[in-house]
Amino acid sequence: DIQMTQSPSSLSASVGDRLTLTCRASQAIGNDLCWYQQKPGKAPKALIYASSRLQRGVPSRFSGSGSGTEFALTISSLQPDDFATYYCLQYKTYPRTFGPGTKVEVK
Amino acid sequence: EVELVESGGNLVQPGGSLRLSCEVSGFPFSGDWMDWVRQAPGKGLEWVANINPAGSEKHYVESVQGRFTVFRDNAKSSLFLQMHSLRVEDTAVYYCSTSLNNWGRGTLVTVSS
Repeated sequence: DIQMTQSPSSLSASVGDRLTLTCRASQAIGNDLCWYQQKPGKAPKALIYASSRLQRGVPSRFSGSGSGTEFALTISSLQPDDFATYYCLQYKTYPRTFGPGTKVEVK
Repeated sequence: EVELVESGGNLVQPGGSLRLSCEVSGFPFSGDWMDWVRQAPGKGLEWVANINPAGSEKHYVESVQGRFTVFRDNAKSSLFLQMHSLRVEDTAVYYCSTSLNNWGRGTLVTVSS
């Protein structure tokens, strides 16, 4: 199975900050990576697919990059609605595997 | 608007069975892969299974292989997860999803004696 890791596991930030969250795969997955946002008690929300393609309706302050084993999710200017946990997912092979998540908290 | 509504979650004893359902509307259900993902209390997301549009190809995470079966009824735009030999570690909120893009709100399965 492909193992996904994310760093940091949590961070504290302020509105307006630029954030970069990272995700690493234990083996190359090309661009077959998604990013999700999840708030407590809610379902995950798809943000990005194919490493860098924005899902419809997702604000342009979110962007994704990377290929192979190293990926990043960047939030250009953190907004109050962005405090949440972010997960990456690889869909290159079965089983699909998620990273453990990065929790973005208010500083 | 796409809507997915899961149901069937309940409290069940270890070794018991449960069937989850997911009704989909506002989406061409018969044309897309469907997935089940779960989340144990206070934990991260775990992919469980998926099924192709025709229902002829299915994949599972190893921990549920042989115990869970995913199937679908395209005429009713519905997805199902039949779960047998449930274990305490299967306790989670179970989400259905259209190709891991659109998600339902989830249904809680609690396995406990």
